[in-house]
Amino acid sequence: QQQVKQSPQSLIVQKGGISIINCAYENTAFDYFPWYQQFPGKGPALLIAIRPDVSEKKEGRFTISFNKSAKQFSLHIMDSQPGDSATYFCAASNYQLIWGAGTKLIIKP
Amino acid sequence: EAGVAQSPRYKIIEKRQSVAFWCNPISGHATLYWYQQILGQGPKLLIQFQNNGVVDDSQLPKDRFSAERLKGVDSTLKIQPAKLEDSAVYLCASSLGGPSTDTQYFGPGTRLTVL
Repeated sequence: QQQVKQSPQSLIVQKGGISIINCAYENTAFDYFPWYQQFPGKGPALLIAIRPDVSEKKEGRFTISFNKSAKQFSLHIMDSQPGDSATYFCAASNYQLIWGAGTKLIIKP
Repeated sequence: EAGVAQSPRYKIIEKRQSVAFWCNPISGHATLYWYQQILGQGPKLLIQFQNNGVVDDSQLPKDRFSAERLKGVDSTLKIQPAKLEDSAVYLCASSLGGPSTDTQYFGPGTRLTVL
């Protein structure tokens, strides 16, 4: 019940396209849902986060969509750029941050 | 603002040897985390400190792993003796408050290879 399931494992998108990564959870006590971006050789860095009282949050080209009833949330990257190529992790927290397995995103020029 | 510092960046040891990692969090951050990240997986929390007290060490293999946070600032994580399956990146992170309220800032990690 503490798991966060993330898909797909890897994703290739053309430059300018939309990248979509999905996550699902079971524990309804989770109250904080961040997305982290990790480049090779670096630690993860917070990209964007949402709380369950909001259905969508947008920051620049990055949008989180949150469906509380379905217990799912997703990251949309609009106008994807080669510099967005990285591994993306969703996570969920109540007292401890539980991480998804990650999605390796490659943006083709 | 300086980020989270970790050292060493890389370490290669043989199984049954011991190893220690050091972390200096962002100044003023009360909460410090150690994570283990195995290649191709998400980070797994090993231990969480609030100031110099342990909040959560439920996933720390206490027969071989130990951690301390001196004076509520720097922290060390030790493995003794190391096993092959300990090969991973060890990430240190810090935050102002707890994991459901504040952003965790990560260091670059220490890549450990156990031969």
